Amino acid sequence: NAGVTQTPKFQVLKTGQSMTLQCAQDMNHNSMYWYRQDPGMGLRLIYYSASEGTTDKGEVPNGYNVSRLNKREFSLRLESAAPSQTSVYFCASSLGLKNTEAFFGQGTRLTVV
Amino acid sequence: KNEVEQSPQNLTAQEGEFITINCSYSVGISALHWLQQHPGGGIVSLFMLSSGKKKHGRLIATINIQEKHSSLHITASHPRDSAVYICAVTGNQFYFGTGTSLTVIP
Repeated sequence: NAGVTQTPKFQVLKTGQSMTLQCAQDMNHNSMYWYRQDPGMGLRLIYYSASEGTTDKGEVPNGYNVSRLNKREFSLRLESAAPSQTSVYFCASSLGLKNTEAFFGQGTRLTVV
Repeated sequence: KNEVEQSPQNLTAQEGEFITINCSYSVGISALHWLQQHPGGGIVSLFMLSSGKKKHGRLIATINIQEKHSSLHITASHPRDSAVYICAVTGNQFYFGTGTSLTVIP
């Protein structure tokens, strides 16, 4: 049982490059999330998908796009990377939006130079 | 805006000590979560609670809904408990504290 799998684990991008972070869960969860974690700040929600076929902006969506490809997969795309997007990115999933435990991927450490 | 505040930010303890980490929140919640993040980054869920107290091994989590406060206790602390402990609440969405970095010295 893999839980939540994120790829890649590490990535270095040049300013202006694009990339997609992949996330898949095998727990049949309805809700999936993308967070970024920066030093001295709590996890901040970028986008979330309450259920298959829906996506919504979180606290810090600018510069990102997402796709809920199917119930298992939720990808995060950076169209034109900026140094301010240097961060650790976490994908998470839960059965629903409320009163349910969240399961996290191992994180992607992204550096934009 | 800090919907979730944790204290202390950093904590160093000797092995065997009793440890308390506190969490206060300002939003209406349906549940409170305690998460653990080890060096290397992975985050795991320790507890989800909406009232009272839960215990898992040496870890105890309590919540006081009226006071909007939760505590995470670690009894007989061990160096392997060294990690960042994150408090999160679910209202309309997840809100996260900035974490408490715990170091347990042998």
